[in-house]
Amino acid sequence: EAGVTQFPSHSVIEKGQTVTLRCDPISGHDNLYWYRRVMGKEIKFLLHFVKESKQDESGMPNNRFLAERTGGTYSTLKVQPAELEDSGVYFCASSYARGTQYFGPGTRLTVL
Amino acid sequence: QQQVKQSPQSLIVQKGGISIINCAYENTAFDYFPWYQQFPGKGPALLIAIRPDVSEKKEGRFTISFNKSAKQFSLHIMDSQPGDSATYFCAASNDNQGGKLIFGQGTELSVKP
Repeated sequence: EAGVTQFPSHSVIEKGQTVTLRCDPISGHDNLYWYRRVMGKEIKFLLHFVKESKQDESGMPNNRFLAERTGGTYSTLKVQPAELEDSGVYFCASSYARGTQYFGPGTRLTVL
Repeated sequence: QQQVKQSPQSLIVQKGGISIINCAYENTAFDYFPWYQQFPGKGPALLIAIRPDVSEKKEGRFTISFNKSAKQFSLHIMDSQPGDSATYFCAASNDNQGGKLIFGQGTELSVKP
């Protein structure tokens, strides 16, 4: 069974540009989470989808971040416009009901 | 305000030794405490988890010790092996809050042969 996949694995952009990260959860998983790890710090929660609905977006840093989950399948996280402090590794995780969260390999975002 | 504090930040252990990583939490509403293991270039993977109704859980060489009154829990890796070298994260969550994980800062473990 395929695990959680994320695309791209790396992204380097200039400050002010737009970047879109994609996450494909494990098939059948209704819960999808986004997290971010800024260099050397803890992995921080960003938001939680149940199917296509945002359940909790309390961790989203500001309105430059927009997450969607089309049809309750894959999810995208758009950063527009990107700032230097947005650099970090963005992880997606999925789970069935409130079970174990399975993480993707992450997208390393560098904003120059 | 960091709700889960993890120590040490890095740890070097000889092969065959015991690795111990500690975490402390503040929110008494947390009811699930997992440990995740992350290898370079990979995402975190669940290693072992505990709920507060038990004080210890063991799976192979990995043991979680949980002290509810002190609001602390720890991971013990017995007979540490070079293949255990990775970053370890403790976390906590509350099922009533959607299960979002609150992570500690991570511990880089290096097991020397």
